[in-house]
Amino acid sequence: EDQVTQSPEALRLQEGESSSLNCSYTVSGLRGLFWYRQDPGKGPEFLFTLYSAGEEKEKERLKATLTKKESFLHITAPKPEDSATYLCAAPLHPYCYTGTASKLTFGTGTRLQVTL
Amino acid sequence: NAGVTQTPKFRVLKTGQSMTLLCAQDMNHEYMYWYRQDPGMGLRLIHYSVGEGTTAKGEVPDGYNVSRLKKQNFLLGLESAAPSQTSVYFCASRTGDRGYNEQFFGPGTRLTVL
Repeated sequence: EDQVTQSPEALRLQEGESSSLNCSYTVSGLRGLFWYRQDPGKGPEFLFTLYSAGEEKEKERLKATLTKKESFLHITAPKPEDSATYLCAAPLHPYCYTGTASKLTFGTGTRLQVTL
Repeated sequence: NAGVTQTPKFRVLKTGQSMTLLCAQDMNHEYMYWYRQDPGMGLRLIHYSVGEGTTAKGEVPDGYNVSRLKKQNFLLGLESAAPSQTSVYFCASRTGDRGYNEQFFGPGTRLTVL
């Protein structure tokens, strides 16, 4: 069964303390791995798409990487404003341009809290 | 551009009542989705649409109906609400361009069924 699993469920960091969030997947024929940020009471906000193993993307203090079995979201020198829930997702089926195109399976997220 | 908007933002229903959630997008997107988000369960797909006049079932469609009469709108209906439908509902949309899959989400509707 296609599955996306995130760890840890929650992470508490001090400002400036770098760490990584993990997203492992068992989706067959992966066609993209997506990272979103979700603030309390708001909808998910898109961060990155990774399409192939070895690919990396960066945005401010965040860097996402992808291997054949998992993705990491590295947070370097985090600030309190980075506190949020981070979600990863993958297409449920291999990418298809008709019919059931690109339904995403989401992980349950990692709740990150960055304190002063 | 407003992006994806949802109405209402909050709603409380009694068991058995009906309601419709409205999602609107102004990005001319082909695909639209309805999700529900529950603690510990993550986002789960209810129904989706790949174009005007089309709808399809997602992972958890029971108890919900949808319609896509206009490209920019996607409606989610609850005919007879149940407490198990208490959740936060998110709408999303994306372009139908090949190889591009970023979904844009609305702010959500928090629904409580008593």
